[in-house]
Amino acid sequence: SAVISQKPSRDICQRGTSLTIQCQVDSQVTMMFWYRQQPGQSLTLIATANQGSEATYESGFVIDKFPISRPNLTFSTLTVSNMSPEDSSIYLCSVVLYSINTEAFFGQGTRLTVV
Amino acid sequence: AQRVTQPEKLLSVFKGAPVELKCNYSYSGSPELFWYVQYSRQRLQLLLRHISRESIKGFTADLNKGETSFHLKKPFAQEEDSAMYYCALKGTGANNLFFGTGTRLTVIP
Repeated sequence: SAVISQKPSRDICQRGTSLTIQCQVDSQVTMMFWYRQQPGQSLTLIATANQGSEATYESGFVIDKFPISRPNLTFSTLTVSNMSPEDSSIYLCSVVLYSINTEAFFGQGTRLTVV
Repeated sequence: AQRVTQPEKLLSVFKGAPVELKCNYSYSGSPELFWYVQYSRQRLQLLLRHISRESIKGFTADLNKGETSFHLKKPFAQEEDSAMYYCALKGTGANNLFFGTGTRLTVIP
């Protein structure tokens, strides 16, 4: 299994500012995933963070808005830049372990409110 | 393109009644299907996976390829089953999971 520590757990931010979310895993993993969960909607994959290379972004998400760092195999950060109220959401960090069975593990999420 | 559909956003049942949370998927290959659950104030966690064909906390889910469904069932709902349930799909060769919109189950005492 994997234990993921994500922080902050919540924040209220002014529009135009940026927030960096941290994700720490208790084991080494090749890929870490960042999701967004807007109110009443599903979890949407923002990007896949690969150690040693640039993150891979999904359609509709760009590096300038959501820069990601992946300095080692246990840590990643997601920055939400130049925030607007539309960025208010829950942001989740996740890893997938591929052993005998595939299983995804999640951080507790960061609840972001932009005012 | 892959898609996971959970038609019910909210579902309420009485304690002891059967419960079924619906999940339909669209995927051209052979996907792996999962149910994830989020209890109040807890993080999202795996409930069960179709490959294991297991029963967890009394819940079962059968993959029906003909109907492209993976409905979650429990014969007798308990109050502690109240939670948010997400159906998820992993495509062949994919690394991440693709989630449905979730169903909030409330079990009425």
